[in-house]
Amino acid sequence: AQSVTQLGSHVSVSEGALVLLRCNYSSSVPPYLFWYVQYPNQGLQLLLKYTSAATLVKGINGFEAEFKKSETSFHLTKPSAHMSDAAEYFCAVSDRVNKFYFGSGTKLNVKP
Amino acid sequence: EPEVTQTPSHQVTQMGQEVILRCVPISNHLYFYWYRQILGQKVEFLVSFYNNEISEKSEIFDDQFSVERPDGSNFTLKIRSTKLEDSAMYFCASSEVMNTEAFFGQGTRLTVV
Repeated sequence: AQSVTQLGSHVSVSEGALVLLRCNYSSSVPPYLFWYVQYPNQGLQLLLKYTSAATLVKGINGFEAEFKKSETSFHLTKPSAHMSDAAEYFCAVSDRVNKFYFGSGTKLNVKP
Repeated sequence: EPEVTQTPSHQVTQMGQEVILRCVPISNHLYFYWYRQILGQKVEFLVSFYNNEISEKSEIFDDQFSVERPDGSNFTLKIRSTKLEDSAMYFCASSEVMNTEAFFGQGTRLTVV
């Protein structure tokens, strides 16, 4: 079975600081992993994905994530936060067949 | 850039009424999905659809729910007799092939009163 745990429902950083959003997964098959972002009153936008190629994945808006099999983790990072990064971020794992399993989300607040 | 579009963006309905949520997936995509997000909760899988039939459905997707692809472009979710607990944001998604990322629509916020 597949599941995702996101540690920290709220994360607050200062503008220019490192962003680290944590995601741990459980999967009975080699996972496909995704990060989506949701801005207020909008849909889910794909940030990046891991599908068994390079373990360090670069996405849009300067975000990247590293797949660590030994730690069953897929944490999202960005070296320098911008005010526009304030949103809710969802980690998801695919069952490789039909559906995605989402974490409960982490709301990122960026302080000026 | 191609996108998944959903209508309406917000629907208010009385308990017991039928609602139809509409989606236009990306044109060359073959796999279609409905997810929902109750306020403050996780995004939950409802159903996947491929080749004009349901591929998989969750325990949430009971007899009150149905999906249809009535023509070559639309993908609909019908709730026959809405309950208060059906209030949620409903997301449609599509993917080109299996195992690729799903592209999500903007969502329809359903409020059952």
